[in-house]
Amino acid sequence: GESVGLHLPTLSVQEGDNSIINCAYSNSASDYFIWYKQESGKGPQFIIDIRSNMDKRQGQRVTVLLNKTVKHLSLQIAATQPGDSAVYFCAENDETSGSRLTFGEGTQLTVNP
Amino acid sequence: EPEVTQTPSHQVTQMGQEVILRCVPISNHLYFYWYRQILGQKVEFLVSFYNNEISEKSEIFDDQFSVERPDGSNFTLKIRSTKLEDSAMYFCASRVEQGILDTEAFFGQGTRLTVV
Repeated sequence: GESVGLHLPTLSVQEGDNSIINCAYSNSASDYFIWYKQESGKGPQFIIDIRSNMDKRQGQRVTVLLNKTVKHLSLQIAATQPGDSAVYFCAENDETSGSRLTFGEGTQLTVNP
Repeated sequence: EPEVTQTPSHQVTQMGQEVILRCVPISNHLYFYWYRQILGQKVEFLVSFYNNEISEKSEIFDDQFSVERPDGSNFTLKIRSTKLEDSAMYFCASRVEQGILDTEAFFGQGTRLTVV
């Protein structure tokens, strides 16, 4: 399953499927990007990050892709599990102007057993 | 595993009252942050703090807000004369350092502030 930009806030997939969560960012000067997972009632939890000098980075079951040309970031989750159900936020930072993170709107991922 | 801890987990206050939200960042971290998340919305930056002073603040962080590191471990957010629209989850975060060898920010579990 795949979400489209920031206008589709929910994504529902079957357990075992691959999930793709998309994020469009606005600041062309941003050079550091992070995906966070937020479970209900909890704080954002780091998943994976990527710098602007890379276009792909892989972690355990997760891959982040960065397309600076169109200012697009995606998070791919392989073999999605029920425990992956959460809201996923992308966040960006322009390190030359400070350390604040600017968060996207978030996508609610629901994994059906 | 070290974590950012926040107290209380839930705070209910009357409009016009002052509240202090408390955070204990990870011990070797140097940068501290407060973020806010209104229910159902995205996380918003409030303020960053480094070397015992504010390094950045957003337009949300007006004179109603202040931060303090009163000792070597605590980092507090004070909200004076609370308004209904201050109701939100407030997250504290910390990170080791900023720069080429940057690391991600670690977030606490949050304090849910309800202004009635």
